[in-house]
Parts: sequence; C-alpha cells; structure tokens
Amino acid sequence: QSALTQPASVSGSPGQSITISCTGTSSDVGSYDRVSWYLQHPGKAPKLMIYEVNKRPSGVSDRFSASKSGNTASLTISGLQAEDEADYYCSSFAGSGTYVMFGGGTKLTVL
Amino acid sequence: EVQLVESGGGLVQPGGSLRLSCAASGFTFSTYSMNWVRQAPGKGLEWVSYISRRSTATYYADSVRGRFTISRDNAKNSLYLQMNSLRDEDTAVYYCAREPAEMDDAFDIWGHGTMVTVSS
Repeated sequence: QSALTQPASVSGSPGQSITISCTGTSSDVGSYDRVSWYLQHPGKAPKLMIYEVNKRPSGVSDRFSASKSGNTASLTISGLQAEDEADYYCSSFAGSGTYVMFGGGTKLTVL
Repeated sequence: EVQLVESGGGLVQPGGSLRLSCAASGFTFSTYSMNWVRQAPGKGLEWVSYISRRSTATYYADSVRGRFTISRDNAKNSLYLQMNSLRDEDTAVYYCAREPAEMDDAFDIWGHGTMVTVSS
C-alpha cells in the first residue's frame, strides 16, 4: 500500500489561487470517483473539505474546488486567506481490500 | 452537538496491548460506518481500519492486519480498536472518524485523537 503522491509544499500570496495535486494509480484515483480532501491545522483533527472528487460538504467555502483527470486529482483554493495555511491531505478509495489511501500531505504557506 | 471522543491511549511496551475507545454523541451512531485513522508524530495520515454499520464488514491496513481488531457496540454508541503485538511504528495519534453513507469513503466528523506511544 503506497501513499498517494502530493507535493510536500505549496505557497501563495493572499488573494491568489493555488492548486495541489494528488497522484495515484489506475487502482485507486484512476478507477473511482471517490477522492476526498482534508485540511488539518497544527494540533487539530482533520476537516473534510471535498468528497467524491468535487463535492463540498455543507459549510465549506466555495473558494475550495476540486477535480480529477486520469490518475491525478487536484484541489484548487482561490482567493487565498491567511487561515487557509494548513496541511492538506487527499485520500482515495482503493478497493474493498485496501479501502482508503491517503496522500503524504501538502503544507500550504500563505505568504 | 455531533461529537466523537477517543480514549484509552497511553504508553505501552513493544509487544504489549491497548484498547482504544471512541464515544459518539449527537447523532444516530448505528447508521454510520466508522473508521480509525492514525498519524505518527510529524507524519501524514494513515487509514487503519473500517467497520460497517452493523459490523458485517471490517477492513484493515496491511500494516495492522492480524494485530488490530475493530469492533463497535451500537447500543453503547461506541467504537473500539483492540491493538495487540504493538510495535514502535504504531506510535501515533489515533483518530476515530465517521463515514456517512452519502459520502463514500469520506470522513466528515473526527474525534480529537488519543496518543499511543509504544516504547520500552
């Protein structure tokens, strides 16, 4: 079970947009429209931001959007704000045996 | 308020056992699948185990299969993780997480976590 691949870090200035990629394989991201994205502030529990590739749970800002192409999913945050600075994790269903795999996480720095 | 509260973490020697609990409140526990996810110090998230609403299906990460057992008691609104043959690499914060039926494989509510330290 290898983790999904995310960039270690990304950065952007307030008001800008950034995109975080999440690369898997044809056995996980490429096979199922069941990619989720989580935000985690230091010392806190993760928070669900996106599920089923591009759906936002109630209460999540529409500044957060996501998509998938082939084996790679992407999270875009527009209009960056200071409070967006956090670690972001993607996850994907990977079959009933492996079930869920997480990405290694991406640290977003708001400059 | 919808809430998950983990307990049972602590310091244990390699080879030892520990049982984690997760108390659910504010929602109908029996209608949700549940999961355990862990995070080693300074590391990323790792999915550990899944249990269906009526305990008819359970899944485990390769790293814990055969050593950990997930279970639940819907009458007590509680989720459990029995951890045996613990190793240094099991040291982590363990989170319980709720999985709604309408959000395949997504975890919408998380507990605050309980720390497990495996060390001699």
